[in-house]
Amino acid sequence: DTGVSQDPRHKITKRGQNVTFRCDPISEHNRLYWYRQTLGQGPEFLTYFQNEAQLEKSRLLSDRFSAERPKGSFSTLEIQRTEQGDSAMYLCASSLTGLGDTQYFGPGTRLTVL
Amino acid sequence: EDQVTQSPEALRLQEGESSSLNCSYTVSGLRGLFWYRQDPGKGPEFLFTLYSAGEEKEKERLKATLTKKESFLHITAPKPEDSATYLCAVQGHSGGSNYKLTFGKGTLLTVNP
Repeated sequence: DTGVSQDPRHKITKRGQNVTFRCDPISEHNRLYWYRQTLGQGPEFLTYFQNEAQLEKSRLLSDRFSAERPKGSFSTLEIQRTEQGDSAMYLCASSLTGLGDTQYFGPGTRLTVL
Repeated sequence: EDQVTQSPEALRLQEGESSSLNCSYTVSGLRGLFWYRQDPGKGPEFLFTLYSAGEEKEKERLKATLTKKESFLHITAPKPEDSATYLCAVQGHSGGSNYKLTFGKGTLLTVNP
């Protein structure tokens, strides 16, 4: 495994439905991050984990969003009752303590809410 | 709150025409400044990390420099395959948040053959 992987790559859903995305970090990376990117903007931080502990959440992360990282390996991001404003690219990144905290990004999941 | 402003928003160059991209930032205690390249529909690809003013790093046709207020990404003799959006991000000691990246909007670089 040479990089961060995300699944699915694309998701189309109807407003009000729930969706879940998965991220598999680079092996042995202890930190995992979620960002959201809309067209013409840079990525915006949502939340981050160190091992299995969720240590920080952005104000962007409303009550409809929840993230988990069981056993400190892969992570899931769930959006409940999706809204059209949730349409965006959801990016996952991982880093390893001691290597300058350089974050390596996955290919992203493109969400379209109809 | 950390802020990053990138300029220009878009830059069109001829192959071989060197230029620079600018990243101005404000941050409470800089931990690192990062440059990424992003191709359409893909995730950002890491290029450089700079930690302190005066630091420089190079990779092929790219060179990144850092001052206390801004960073430059110099592109020497660019090729069409250098066309992409270049993102700048800072990581700072802000309100207890030490690890999140704050990104600019990016500079869309187009290199014509």
